[in-house]
Amino acid sequence: DVVLTQSPATLSVTPGERISLSCRASESVDTYLHWYQQKPNESPRLLIKYASQSISGIPSRFSGSGSGTDFTLSINGVELEDLSIYYCQQGNSLPYTFGAGTKLELK
Amino acid sequence: QVQLKESGPGLVQPSQTLSLTCTVSGFSLTSYNVHWVRQPTGKGLEWMGVIWTGGSTDYNSALKSRLSISRDTSKSQVFLKMNSLQTEDIATYYCARESPYYYVMDAWGQGASVTVSS
Repeated sequence: DVVLTQSPATLSVTPGERISLSCRASESVDTYLHWYQQKPNESPRLLIKYASQSISGIPSRFSGSGSGTDFTLSINGVELEDLSIYYCQQGNSLPYTFGAGTKLELK
Repeated sequence: QVQLKESGPGLVQPSQTLSLTCTVSGFSLTSYNVHWVRQPTGKGLEWMGVIWTGGSTDYNSALKSRLSISRDTSKSQVFLKMNSLQTEDIATYYCARESPYYYVMDAWGQGASVTVSS
């Protein structure tokens, strides 16, 4: 199974700053790497698909990059509503797997 | 409007069988794959399995011996059955949609919370 390692586990942020979250795969997943946002007591919401493709309705401050084994989710100008847990997921091979998540908290 | 909604008993006795239903609207089960994903409280997401547009299934090997996914396309429903439930199976269970060959889950249900207790 592909193991996805997300870092950091927790990130303390100040509104307005630019941040980057990392997701590393134990083997190449090409660009079949997707990012989800999960707010407390809500289901996950797709943020970025295929490493860098935007999703309709998602604010443009969210962007993704990477291929192979190293991926990054960036938020350009964090807002309070972005305080959530972010998960990466690979769809290159079954079983689909998720990273353990990165929690954004207020500094 | 695309919707998925999980339903089922919130409480299951140890060693008994969990039965959940995912009722979908806004799309056809013969055009989209449906996955089941679970999340223990305060923990991460675990992929459980999928039913493909053609009706075949794939399962997480860790759950395969206990898990069954089926569907009724006429009712737009997908079913999850998992036997021999233990406390480790306490979680919120989600169904999610995937476009064929897209490998990404673009719509999720609200989740069904399941507790295992006598």
